[in-house]
Amino acid sequence: SQELEQSPQSLIVQEGKNLTINCTSSKTLYGLYWYKQKYGEGLIFLMMLQKGGEEKSHEKITAKLDEKKQQSSLHITASQPSHAGIYLCGAVSNAGGTSYGKLTFGQGTILTVHP
Amino acid sequence: DGGITQSPKYLFRKEGQNVTLSCEQNLNHDAMYWYRQDPGQGLRLIYYSQIVNDFQKGDIAEGYSVSREKKESFPLTVTSAQKNPTAFYLCASGRPSLVATNEKLFFGSGTQLSVL
Repeated sequence: SQELEQSPQSLIVQEGKNLTINCTSSKTLYGLYWYKQKYGEGLIFLMMLQKGGEEKSHEKITAKLDEKKQQSSLHITASQPSHAGIYLCGAVSNAGGTSYGKLTFGQGTILTVHP
Repeated sequence: DGGITQSPKYLFRKEGQNVTLSCEQNLNHDAMYWYRQDPGQGLRLIYYSQIVNDFQKGDIAEGYSVSREKKESFPLTVTSAQKNPTAFYLCASGRPSLVATNEKLFFGSGTQLSVL
């Protein structure tokens, strides 16, 4: 099965600072998703990346997928307390050439932003 | 509003008891999923279903059971065989082929299960 490793496991930053979260896969990523979660709540979709070298941005969050499609990064510019939460990367498991839509997740990165 | 509803928000299980977590969606999605979340371990797939009356085991199916009698509903039963059931359980739904259709999974708000 696909193994996803996120780093760092936790991150504490001062408001206004930039930060990066990484997601590394042991296999080629067929679809890479970034979700955000508030403690004790469901997951909120942020972005999906499919193509090698692809980059997407939404407000102050930018996600990139490397050319080899084995690593993705999530970058937050000028962090705010509202960015605090758990960030999870998920990848589609592609078994036998057919995508069953199963998402395998990394262990998550806990982000704390101090005002 | 369309979405996924999980209930209850909090659930307590006694020793030897089976409990059922509810998941309902009105997004007309064919595929539904159950994930378990433990601190520091991300989400792990318990069961998933791509179509009514069919479901598949995920990575940690032991001690759990599901049914998919209706498209909108995918209840999860945590049986007494699950010796460590305390966790946060998340239900999700989506199109069966995510990447091909550039789709995403939609998640419910979760159920926290604790053992008394």
